[in-house]
Amino acid sequence: DAGITQSPRHKVTETGTPVTLRCHQTENHRYMYWYRQDPGHGLRLIHYSYGVKDTDKGEVSDGYSVSRSKTEDFLLTLESATSSQTSVYFCAISDRQGDQPQHFGDGTRLSIL
Amino acid sequence: SQQGEEDPQALSIQEGENATMNCSYKTSINNLQWYRQNSGRGLVHLILIRSNEREKHSGRLRVTLDTSKKSSSLLITASRAADTASYFCATAPRDDKIIFGKGTRLHILP
Repeated sequence: DAGITQSPRHKVTETGTPVTLRCHQTENHRYMYWYRQDPGHGLRLIHYSYGVKDTDKGEVSDGYSVSRSKTEDFLLTLESATSSQTSVYFCAISDRQGDQPQHFGDGTRLSIL
Repeated sequence: SQQGEEDPQALSIQEGENATMNCSYKTSINNLQWYRQNSGRGLVHLILIRSNEREKHSGRLRVTLDTSKKSSSLLITASRAADTASYFCATAPRDDKIIFGKGTRLHILP
């Protein structure tokens, strides 16, 4: 298995609080992605990174910010969590964009009450 | 924006039978990928087929791609209980990020 670790694996928090999810890789891959997975919507891209300090928005980026200060770490922040952000969040990595497989972490289950 | 759409949404078959899932997409692609997701886990890459390829095999998996019909199929032969999972197709428009479909839930009955 590709070396991807997501933390925490589960989190319950209240509306309005800030939340940060961490993705850590040991593969030295250039690209890192954050997705959310919801019933009926499949997997949707939130933000991705193509290098240290290089990030771009995905399909559902509103309400989320990201940072990548080191190759191995990609952080996803919900500045003020809302109930609509209750979801399972997945981090993925790849060596190249589009024409290489992505390798996924096991997800973070986030519940916002 | 959804690029790939899997069909059927759910499929139940007896162990030992073959399972076929289809994926249709809308725009030209560089490649198409299939992933499996077991309950509570992340997606696992199965096969990548490029736009200039028509068929690819990996063990009990066979993937076909018809770019003229903008469709792909994933065949799992001699299914096993361990094949119970959700299967996703992901399309890569040229020089862009891959886009995942909503998946097919496959249930192998004993």
